[in-house]
Amino acid sequence: AQSVTQLDSQVPVFEEAPVELRCNYSSSVSVYLFWYVQYPNQGLQLLLKYLSGSTLVESINGFEAEFNKSQTSFHLRKPSVHISDTAEYFCAVSPPRNAGNMLTFGGGTRLMVKP
Amino acid sequence: NAGVTQTPKFQVLKTGQSMTLQCAQDMNHNSMYWYRQDPGMGLRLIYYSASEGTTDKGEVPNGYNVSRLNKREFSLRLESAAPSQTSVYFCASSLFGASNEQFFGPGTRLTVL
Repeated sequence: AQSVTQLDSQVPVFEEAPVELRCNYSSSVSVYLFWYVQYPNQGLQLLLKYLSGSTLVESINGFEAEFNKSQTSFHLRKPSVHISDTAEYFCAVSPPRNAGNMLTFGGGTRLMVKP
Repeated sequence: NAGVTQTPKFQVLKTGQSMTLQCAQDMNHNSMYWYRQDPGMGLRLIYYSASEGTTDKGEVPNGYNVSRLNKREFSLRLESAAPSQTSVYFCASSLFGASNEQFFGPGTRLTVL
């Protein structure tokens, strides 16, 4: 079984400041890793994913996440946030070959960007 | 290509009433899911359907039933709604063998009085 811990439930930050949203996971097998974003009153959208290869993955809107196997972490970072990044962010893991493509989600981190 | 669609967007029920939440996807995905989202609790899986013709319980199935009507459609039924079922419900779908990524619908906000 897998579990995901997002260490901060809320992260307030000023516009143009850097931010890091933390995600740690527990699993006895290798996993795929995902970050989803949920803008207010919307469904979840995939932000980025790690399947294999380079441990640093990037999104089209400036976020990046680094897979650290030894620390079982997949922290999300952005060097300079915008007001429009205000949203809830969910980290998720999934064993590569599981019936039903099941994901295990963390509890979410609410990023609040202030002007 | 509409992706995953859900109806209705909002619903208010009285305790004991029944209703069905509808979900459809047009991406030819094998697997479909129903989640509920509550403040501070993230997403919890209610039921899922790994493939057409199969359904299985998730983490919080009590008080719900599902039907995988065909490959496109997966409905969630509340037989006798309770205030504890006040939540936002999300449907999702996934293509087996394609990185396990799930695609989500816009959600249904349900209030049970």
